[in-house]
Amino acid sequence: DTEVTQTPKHLVMGMTNKKSLKCEQHMGHRAMYWYKQKAKKPPELMFVYSYEKLSINESVPSRFSPECPNSSLLNLHLHALQPEDSALYLCASRHGPGDIYEQYFGPGTRLTVT
Amino acid sequence: AQSVTQPDIHITVSEGASLELRCNYSYGATPYLFWYVQSPGQGLQLLLKYFSGDTLVQGIKGFEAEFKRSQSSFNLRKPSVHWSDAAEYFCAVGRSNDYKLSFGAGTTVTVRA
Repeated sequence: DTEVTQTPKHLVMGMTNKKSLKCEQHMGHRAMYWYKQKAKKPPELMFVYSYEKLSINESVPSRFSPECPNSSLLNLHLHALQPEDSALYLCASRHGPGDIYEQYFGPGTRLTVT
Repeated sequence: AQSVTQPDIHITVSEGASLELRCNYSYGATPYLFWYVQSPGQGLQLLLKYFSGDTLVQGIKGFEAEFKRSQSSFNLRKPSVHWSDAAEYFCAVGRSNDYKLSFGAGTTVTVRA
């Protein structure tokens, strides 16, 4: 099974709301990623967790707060977002460090900030 | 720093015709190369990958790619395109002991009947 699941599929939120995106994988992968993707653009890396610890933060604004409660689950907490944060948010996972392995992507959450 | 260039922003091809998408990379060591496809509103699906060995790699959905070190290229091909191949295609390069992938800007493929 090479599936990464994401919920919700769509999310509309106001600029004062707090919401969370969820990502799950059961492939035993130890690295998990959050990407932001605008239309017709490649994914932009936001965060990487390795063995449930934050490994990379690509200078993402603090209104985005990642969390990795366990090795299978990754959350992205959203608060006080701006309209320009509207995008497709993709989660991905891969095996741990030491070797190159491909990343497996989820279907994404389409976020609209009003 | 590694980088990936996809020279073609948009390609239109007739159904049943062949398709070739270009990808050039810039990286000092042996690159690890990937092609992903993204249908509208969907996530990225891995088509194929190259780590080492045979420079012609076969992927899913009838795609293949050829690694040419002398040209720093990893072009994607399909002999006969189906309407369902209309999508965005991304070439990506990674390296050992690095979590990051560098993506090209993508090529949009339109298939006409």
